Formats: sequence, C-alpha cells, structure tokens
Amino acid sequence: DTAVSQTPKYLVTQMGNDKSIKCEQNLGHDTMYWYKQDSKKFLKIMFSYNNKELIINETVPNRFSPKSPDKAHLNLHINSLELGDSAVYFCASSQAMGQGVGEQYFGPGTRLTVT
Amino acid sequence: AQSVSQHNHHVILSEAASLELGCNYSYGGTVNLFWYVQYPGQHLQLLLKYFSGDPLVKGIKGFEAEFIKSKFSFNLRKPSVQWSDTAEYFCAVHTGGFKTIFGAGTRLFVKA
Repeated sequence: DTAVSQTPKYLVTQMGNDKSIKCEQNLGHDTMYWYKQDSKKFLKIMFSYNNKELIINETVPNRFSPKSPDKAHLNLHINSLELGDSAVYFCASSQAMGQGVGEQYFGPGTRLTVT
Repeated sequence: AQSVSQHNHHVILSEAASLELGCNYSYGGTVNLFWYVQYPGQHLQLLLKYFSGDPLVKGIKGFEAEFIKSKFSFNLRKPSVQWSDTAEYFCAVHTGGFKTIFGAGTRLFVKA
C-alpha cells in the first residue's frame, strides 16, 4: 500500500488557470506538509498542518491555498497560475513527537508545468 | 536564522570509491538530523536519522553518518559507492516545532 499518495502525477496547464493537487497519507500521522522543488532540486517548505490546523505558512503567495479536510488529507489549490509556479510539488507527512516531529514520508510528487 | 549547508553541490565518483558528503547547520539547541536520498525521477526517502544516543548512526544501503555537536556537523559516508547510488542527497535538520530545514542537496554521480 502506498503510504503517501498524490494526484495527479503530472499537470500541464496554461497561465491564469486554477488547479488542485490532492494528497493522502495512510500512516496515521498527525502532521502533513507541502514542499516545492524547483529545477535546481532546491526543496522549500510551503505549508505544514498539524491535526488539520495550519502551523507553517512560509511566505507563499496567497494564490496558494491549502486545505485539510481531515488528518489524512492535505490538498493544495493554486489560483491564477504563473510560469514561475512550474515545479515539482511534494506532499509529506510525519508523526508528532515529544519535541517536534520525526522523519518525513514523501509522496511521489506532482510535476506542474505552466505554459 | 537557522540554516543547513551542504558543501558539495555536485560530486562525481567512480564505483568502489569512498564517499563523504558534508552537512553543517546553524542552531545551538537540540536537533534531530536526517539524510534523505532522491533517486532520479523518484520521491525523497529516508537514509538515516539521528535523534539522540550514539553519534554514529547507520542507515540503509551501507550509509552512515556522524553527528559532531561541537562542529554542528552531520556528514554522510559510505566506504564504497555503487552505480546505483547515483542520486540527490539532502541533509535536513529539525530544531523543534513542526519545521524541518533542508539543505540545498548534493548531486552524486557514480561512474560505472
């Protein structure tokens, strides 16, 4: 069984469109994340949710809106897509521990291409 | 500000060569440390982690890393690399709360 799954795997769209990426984890973790990986492989955290509550919002444009309907799901909606949004988006999850969180389990990624 | 530095951006080795990838972080408190690997076209996977105890930790596929607190370092090593180790390697540091900071990554290419 896939631990962290994302759909779609590939997304090609035009500038100005609105799109969503879905993420689900079946590990029972409390915390979920969205990361953006650019063409140079740099991995930047965008959002973190713990028990459906937004914990981290790393100065991401408000065109990006995460939604966590329950602990197992964290979706990412992007409005008015721009060329610079082209990247691979990774969802991840981890279990909360005494002083924070443990290792993260990553999804397969969604390659977004904006033309 | 907290940061993670990986000194080598690109490393090219021949098979059977030894590997050491550097990782330094800037934070004076308690940390949890990780190395993740991303094989071409795949997602990140955990190689190894350090939370406490023995500063020399062993991970999967023959990798190990040593936490040196005085040097704020967590270098990754492997005595003999294989062609299949070609990948991107990320050092990550968790300093508390819900945020983990990733280094910029080191791209390793192993020549067969």
